[in-house]
Amino acid sequence: SQTIHQWPATLVQPVGSPLSLECTVEGTSNPNLYWYRQAAGRGLQLLFYSVGIGQISSEVPQNLSASRPQDRQFILSSKKLLLSDSGFYLCAWSMQDTGHQPQHFGDGTRLSIL
Amino acid sequence: AQKITQTQPGMFVQEKEAVTLDCTYDTSDPSYGLFWYKQPSSGEMIFLIYQGSYDQQNATEGRYSLNFQKARKSANLVISASQLGDSAMYFCAMSRLYSGAGSYQLTFGKGTKLSVIP
Repeated sequence: SQTIHQWPATLVQPVGSPLSLECTVEGTSNPNLYWYRQAAGRGLQLLFYSVGIGQISSEVPQNLSASRPQDRQFILSSKKLLLSDSGFYLCAWSMQDTGHQPQHFGDGTRLSIL
Repeated sequence: AQKITQTQPGMFVQEKEAVTLDCTYDTSDPSYGLFWYKQPSSGEMIFLIYQGSYDQQNATEGRYSLNFQKARKSANLVISASQLGDSAMYFCAMSRLYSGAGSYQLTFGKGTKLSVIP
């Protein structure tokens, strides 16, 4: 069966520091991968998605970037964090080119910027 | 543009009773998918149930059923025999194909917080 791992679970970072959140998927090949952000008490905002290695699409302009160095690895990064980057970050995967399929989420990372 | 509306910020239900969480959507695409997710206080998003726009029958998964009314553009989630563990945020979502990217994207509603009372 497929599993998705996301780490760290919690992170506290000072303003201006760099960020790296990692997500890996096991048990499937060539998945679509997604990064979402959820502000407190709000719905999910899609940040980035990827349909293959090195292929990244951004949904909103922001202080963040994403990379997919391997088929089942998705990384969310920032060179300099802002206070507004605080939130709950979720990674998700779905089957590729198979019609309307659910996305399956990791456990998320709670990011607090001080 | 796609839009998902969940009009109930919070709902209360007595344990063992049934509850309906409302979801309406807006799209001009003929093909779409409708999903419900559960988010407990721990934060993970758990996929519950799926309904395709061309599906003739309402989807069911255990105690979850989706009341799909295509003409009204509604996709309400029904939870039967509520349990204390059902207390969580519930999100309705809709998928569409972003043809340029070759990827299906989800649009989420703002969620409904369900509290089950013992």
